[in-house]
Amino acid sequence: GAVVSQHPSRVICKSGTSVKIECRSLDFQATTMFWYRQFPKQSLMLMATSNEGSKATYEQGVEKDKFLINHASLTLSTLTVTSAHPEDSSFYICSARDAFGTVNYGYTFGSGTRLTVV
Amino acid sequence: GIQVEQSPPDLILQEGANSTLRCNFSDSVNNLQWFHQNPWGQLINLFYIPSGTKQNGRLSATTVATERYSLLYISSSQTTDSGVYFCAPVSYSGAGSYQLTFGKGTKLSVIP
Repeated sequence: GAVVSQHPSRVICKSGTSVKIECRSLDFQATTMFWYRQFPKQSLMLMATSNEGSKATYEQGVEKDKFLINHASLTLSTLTVTSAHPEDSSFYICSARDAFGTVNYGYTFGSGTRLTVV
Repeated sequence: GIQVEQSPPDLILQEGANSTLRCNFSDSVNNLQWFHQNPWGQLINLFYIPSGTKQNGRLSATTVATERYSLLYISSSQTTDSGVYFCAPVSYSGAGSYQLTFGKGTKLSVIP
């Protein structure tokens, strides 16, 4: 089945530093990947839609200069949290869907990255 | 955008009991997905169901798109079923893209 790999699973960083999170589709090609954020005991909120070879589309209220998204290939999207602050601490999850519809599993999610900024 | 309501928000079951989770949505959708989020945060696909009924073991789902709701049935619940269940309708977001909109989830606790 469709598998999405996300790394790292957990990261602790100092305030002011940047953190990069990788999302890979392992057995399918994904022209579009999605990045979500989830605060404790809350639902998933879509941050941005990452399109291979073009700029990401950000949801209202999400700072594009703070959350840099790069989707350089059909199997890899990265989210960089720049100049992280404690309020950026959250659970970040990526998702992708098979571009060619050969794997009818809907949207597959990575295992998430728990970011703690100290 | 589309509004998604899930009920109940919290549910406690005795092991072996059955339950029904409901998802209402405010607009027409292209598809709908049910997920189980385990205690480690992993989202596990349960069903991708635009309409009709699907079954997978002790779980089944029914979506009635014309009436804008979907139901998830859990039979003979086990402690491993504990976690949060999300429904996420799939809708067109423009420029050839589709996106999921998540409900707030139902937190299920199955006690031995």
